[in-house]
Amino acid sequence: DAGITQSPRYKITETGRQVTLMCHQTWSHSYMFWYRQDLGHGLRLIYYSAAADITDKGEVPDGYVVSRSKTENFPLTLESATRSQTSVYFCASSQGSDTQYFGPGTRLTVL
Amino acid sequence: EDQVTQSPEALRLQEGESSSLNCSYTVSGLRGLFWYRQDPGKGPEFLFTLYSAGEEKEKERLKATLTKKESFLHITAPKPEDSATYLCAVPPNSGNTGKLIFGQGTTLQVKP
Repeated sequence: DAGITQSPRYKITETGRQVTLMCHQTWSHSYMFWYRQDLGHGLRLIYYSAAADITDKGEVPDGYVVSRSKTENFPLTLESATRSQTSVYFCASSQGSDTQYFGPGTRLTVL
Repeated sequence: EDQVTQSPEALRLQEGESSSLNCSYTVSGLRGLFWYRQDPGKGPEFLFTLYSAGEEKEKERLKATLTKKESFLHITAPKPEDSATYLCAVPPNSGNTGKLIFGQGTTLQVKP
């Protein structure tokens, strides 16, 4: 199906482990975004990308790494997961300063 | 500082009881105001984009309006299926980055 997908949908990991969350979009949108959503904080931007091989930090980038070798994929890696990174992660894509379309989210629990 | 504030945080309505949600913003040179609906356990779903003061858009029981400092999402005769969190967002002043600043959202509960 066309659209934006995220995998896995649910993930439980342990403190200190590396975790990669995947995001794939089929619209060939230039921009892609990673957010985390926590109670009391709303949606907070972690990283974004304006095009393949162009990424930049958002509001809360510490502890996260991104890459974008292909336009359609934008993986988010937690190099050494911490309990404070327990959250729901959303990927989104857009074509410039236009509507962002969101994926279904990944619920990550760090024990 | 660019900011988006939504009120109220939570709203409980009886089915059929119309009301409005507010989204106020401080960015200058508005380049669009976006409304989203988010159901529990799902990603935000796009509803409307408004670009200029006086603009209105409608979808079923929802109507979004825009002034120079705020937007309203009017819900007419709501039904239980309208229960969700409604988010608004605006692009920041800092150039064309594609980014959006989101408000904290208003959680609407419509009781039958």
